[in-house]
Amino acid sequence: DAGVIQSPRHEVTEMGQEVTLRCKPISGHNSLFWYRQTMMRGLELLIYFNNNVPIDDSGMPEDRFSAKMPNASFSTLKIQPSEPRDSAVYFCASSLGAQNTEAFFGQGTRLTVV
Amino acid sequence: QQQVKQSPQSLIVQKGGISIINCAYENTAFDYFPWYQQFPGKGPALLIAIRPDVSEKKEGRFTISFNKSAKQFSLHIMDSQPGDSATYFCAVTTSGTYKYIFGTGTRLKVLA
Repeated sequence: DAGVIQSPRHEVTEMGQEVTLRCKPISGHNSLFWYRQTMMRGLELLIYFNNNVPIDDSGMPEDRFSAKMPNASFSTLKIQPSEPRDSAVYFCASSLGAQNTEAFFGQGTRLTVV
Repeated sequence: QQQVKQSPQSLIVQKGGISIINCAYENTAFDYFPWYQQFPGKGPALLIAIRPDVSEKKEGRFTISFNKSAKQFSLHIMDSQPGDSATYFCAVTTSGTYKYIFGTGTRLKVLA
């Protein structure tokens, strides 16, 4: 298996633009997580899906952020409009189950908003 | 509120030495304590994990020591190698939930 696949690996965009990050989880995994990593705040859980359904989005910073999982093999995280403070590395992770099973992380998308 | 405190922030160790990273937590409800390893440009990967029913778990050169009464746990890397140079994160969670709280990370550099 290729593991969790994220695209793009790097994204540079101007403030105010829409940004879409993509994730393909490991086949057969039914839980998907979006994390954000920054120097100041470390690794933060943004949203968690189970069987394609958003279960907990309490970590989503604000309404500018949205996430979807239209099917078991694809998820997106969208920021509209983007701001410089959104600059971070965004990770997608998937696991067989939600509860204390190993989460496999993708390589991340480094987002820079200028 | 910082529910898990990790130290040190950075660590430099000679090849063959022992690397020790510590984490302390507040909530006694936490009952699963994993350590993640992250190489530059990569996502974190599970390294080793422990539950509070044991005080120590060893996998190869990596050992977790757990002190339930002190609410502390630590990662020991024996015979540290340059290939161990990475950022290490501790995490805490409660069984039956999916929410992991991560420490702030320790950047380890092992000198050849």
